[in-house]
Parts: sequence; structure tokens; C-alpha cells
Amino acid sequence: EVQLVESGGGLVQPGRSLRLSCAASGFKFDGYAMHWVRQTPGKALEWVSTVNWDSSLITYAAPVKGRFIISRDNTNNFLHLQMNSLRVEDTAFYYCVKGEGPGSSVGFDYWGQGTLVTVSS
Amino acid sequence: QSVLTQPPSASGTPGQRVTISCAGRSSNIGTNFVFWYQQFPQTTPKLLIHRDNERPSGVPDRFSASKSGTSASLVISGLRSEDEADYYCATWDDNLSEFGWVFGGGTKLTVL
Repeated sequence: EVQLVESGGGLVQPGRSLRLSCAASGFKFDGYAMHWVRQTPGKALEWVSTVNWDSSLITYAAPVKGRFIISRDNTNNFLHLQMNSLRVEDTAFYYCVKGEGPGSSVGFDYWGQGTLVTVSS
Repeated sequence: QSVLTQPPSASGTPGQRVTISCAGRSSNIGTNFVFWYQQFPQTTPKLLIHRDNERPSGVPDRFSASKSGTSASLVISGLRSEDEADYYCATWDDNLSEFGWVFGGGTKLTVL
């Protein structure tokens, strides 16, 4: 059974940093791209970042480019999101999402339960 | 403003057929597979349709989808009360200046 468990969310002041992690299990982690998708409560889903299976291709959404860094640890089956220079508008639930294949553009299938990041002074 | 355009709401009565549209452009829907996700309140999204029109195992055949040019559609036949949820379309965008995944704004389906 595929399991994606996010951690690291919380309340943080604008301008500060936070690191999210996602523990993956139930599938061959290094065979799939992984993604972060966020959702402000009551609002639409918003793609944040994608890393392909071997980290050779990493992409970011425009609002987070230059501030967020996605990374993966294929030895220990973890996905991370380093979020720097946080803004109020980054407040959202952040979902760790498994890709359907190794490439970045092949779609997502399984979603974690999400971790809430609140950016507020 | 979402890159993919969905109607904010849709509705139908039990047993009816409902269609939810998703409009994009040549760099996204026109070139890449479309995916549909279902999300109930306070829950995580679930994959409903992948690769334009394929149902993952476990998804009822009441759900179907199609794509034509730069638009896609999700069709729910024989509407049930438990289908009341938010529905999102998504696809990869090959826009040279800003490639990545794009979502629709979501459609809230109400079963009357």
C-alpha cells in the first residue's frame, strides 16, 4: 500500500524558513517522480514543484521559484521541500504527491494527507 | 487565475448526466495528457481519470472523460449523492517560459 506521510508544517513568521519532509513507502521510490502541491483552505489546488526520479530534472512554479528547493533522498525514501523567504501567501496545506512514472510530466496518482503551513506575524 | 478554465460550479439531480469542462491551450491540454481529481471536503484529492480518458482500478464506470483539441471534459453518468465533491483537471504545460503542472480552478458539483 502506497503511503506518503508529510511532516514539518507549522506556524512561521514572514521571511523565515521551514523544511517539509515526506516519508514514502509501499512502492519503489526511486522509480517515480515526486511532487509538492499546495492548497489554501477553500481554494484550488496549486502545483509547487516536481523532481523526477533521479533529480536530473527539477521544476518550480513561478510563485516559489528562487525561494523553495525540492530534493529527494532515494536511499531513505524521503522527499523534502526547503521553503525560504516565506510569505503570507504561501499559507496552505502542502501535499506530497507520487508521480505515475519516472518522468516529471506523467501525472500524479497518490497523495499524502498534507501538512499545514501558516505564515503569519 | 488558473491556467486551465473550469466552471466554478455544476449541479444535477440523481440519475442525471453531468459534464464538467476544462479549457486550456496548445501548450498544455493540446499536447499532454489530462488528469482529473476528485476531492471531498476536508479530504485529500483522489485520482479519477488519467491519460485523458482512462479510469484507474476502483473508479466506477459512471465516470468518463474525453479530450478534443485544447479542451477536455469529465462526464458523470447516473449521478449519485455521493458524487458531490470538487473536481479538478490538471495537465503538464510545455510553455517555454514557464513549464510545469497546471490545474483548473476546480468545479464544485452539487447533487440536488
